[in-house]
Amino acid sequence: DTGVSQDPRHKITKRGQNVTFRCDPISEHNRLYWYRQTLGQGPEFLTYFQNEAQLEKSRLLSDRFSAERPKGSFSTLEIQRTEQGDSAMYLCASSPKDRQGYSPLHFGNGTRLTVT
Amino acid sequence: AQKITQTQPGMFVQEKEAVTLDCTYDTSDPSYGLFWYKQPSSGEMIFLIYQGSYDQQNATEGRYSLNFQKARKSANLVISASQLGDSAMYFCAMREMISGSARQLTFGSGTQLTVLP
Repeated sequence: DTGVSQDPRHKITKRGQNVTFRCDPISEHNRLYWYRQTLGQGPEFLTYFQNEAQLEKSRLLSDRFSAERPKGSFSTLEIQRTEQGDSAMYLCASSPKDRQGYSPLHFGNGTRLTVT
Repeated sequence: AQKITQTQPGMFVQEKEAVTLDCTYDTSDPSYGLFWYKQPSSGEMIFLIYQGSYDQQNATEGRYSLNFQKARKSANLVISASQLGDSAMYFCAMREMISGSARQLTFGSGTQLTVLP
C-alpha cells in the first residue's frame, strides 16, 4: 500500500508530557500537510512543507508545537507540555506539486491524541 | 468571514434516492479549486470530487456530481442512488492560489449524511 501512513494511531498521554507523531507521505509527493480535527468539526490547517521547507504555519500552531521534515520525506509533529485542549485527531496529508489545476490532498488515517 | 459554509449539520436520505449537500464559499481570488471529501466513522478522509474555478462543465465521478454555480459561489455535492455505505460525514473544501502556488485546503464544518434503508 502506498498511501499516507501515520503512527501511532492512538496516543494517550498525561497533561504536561511531550508527544511526537510521525507521518510518511506518498513517496512521489513533495508536499506534506498537518491538520487537526476536533470532534464534529472539519480539519483545521496547522502547517505544510514543500520538500524539507516549512512554508506556512497557522496561528493555531502555538510555540508548543513543532513540525519537521528533515529530508523531505517523512515528517514529525511534536507537542510539548501537552494540554487537555490538545486532544484531537491529528491528520497528515500529502500532494504532488500542482502543475495545472489543483491536486487533491491524500490523507492518512490520523493519530488520535487524548490528553488526560 | 467563513471561507467555506455548510449549512446542513445533518441530512437523511432514503436508500436509492438522490441527495444534495450544500456548500457555499468565499474568495476574492479568480483561481481556486473546490473539493469534496467523505469521512466515514472509521476516520479516514476520502477524496470524492474536484471542481476548478475555470472549469466550464460540472465535475462528475460515478454517482457523485458537483453542481457548480460560480456567480452564487456555491458548489453543492449531488449523490445519486444513495447506498447505505454513503452514510458518513461530508466535507466541502477549497484551495486558493496565492502568488502562483496553491494553498492548503480550507474545510467547512461538514454535513453528516445518514442513508435510511
